[in-house]
Amino acid sequence: GAGVSQTPSNKVTEKGKYVELRCDPISGHTALYWYRQSLGQGPEFLIYFQGTGAADDSGLPNDRFFAVRPEGSVSTLKIQRTERGDSAVYLCASSQTGGDEQFFGPGTRLTVL
Amino acid sequence: QKEVEQNSGPLSVPEGAIASLNCTYSDRGSQSFFWYRQYSGKSPELIMSIYSNGDKEDGRFTAQLNKASQYVSLLIRDSQPSDSATYLCAVNRRPGGYNKLIFGAGTRLAVHP
Repeated sequence: GAGVSQTPSNKVTEKGKYVELRCDPISGHTALYWYRQSLGQGPEFLIYFQGTGAADDSGLPNDRFFAVRPEGSVSTLKIQRTERGDSAVYLCASSQTGGDEQFFGPGTRLTVL
Repeated sequence: QKEVEQNSGPLSVPEGAIASLNCTYSDRGSQSFFWYRQYSGKSPELIMSIYSNGDKEDGRFTAQLNKASQYVSLLIRDSQPSDSATYLCAVNRRPGGYNKLIFGAGTRLAVHP
């Protein structure tokens, strides 16, 4: 079956612009996670959705970051007033309800000039 | 002290040898442990999960867990050049009963012919 998909694969934007990153989880997976990975580091947790609600957004670095999952499937990570420090690979993962194993999408490489 | 620590490497082993990758974690409440493989420019791929003390084998891979020592390792037998990648250790702290993964920075493995 299809895995987690993310679009776009690459996004280049200018400082101060707004960006949206999309994640489509594995069909039937109710849990969805966003992580951010900087060069030479492991993925860092941002936010977790169980169904439509954000169960934990404690990893979002500041209020410029926001994520939604209105229908409990596709999720969008939104970044306002982008800064150069936001440049990273943004990874989405999904898992089954009650399942421990998380499966990652290919990621979106965000570059803020 | 980082929550999940790994030696950054590179760990260089000859083809056919056993590669041993190690990880320590700080939270004694951690319950689930995972090894991900990440090729350069790609997203993490789950290769092993382990939940109880002892060994778990899957093909050429063996994960070992020692909760008393807060230590988890991955052994790769008969290492192949295609195993050359960064190996990420991830720990599930399960605060509130869900799967927020904490990653180490990864160990880079290089298998030379």
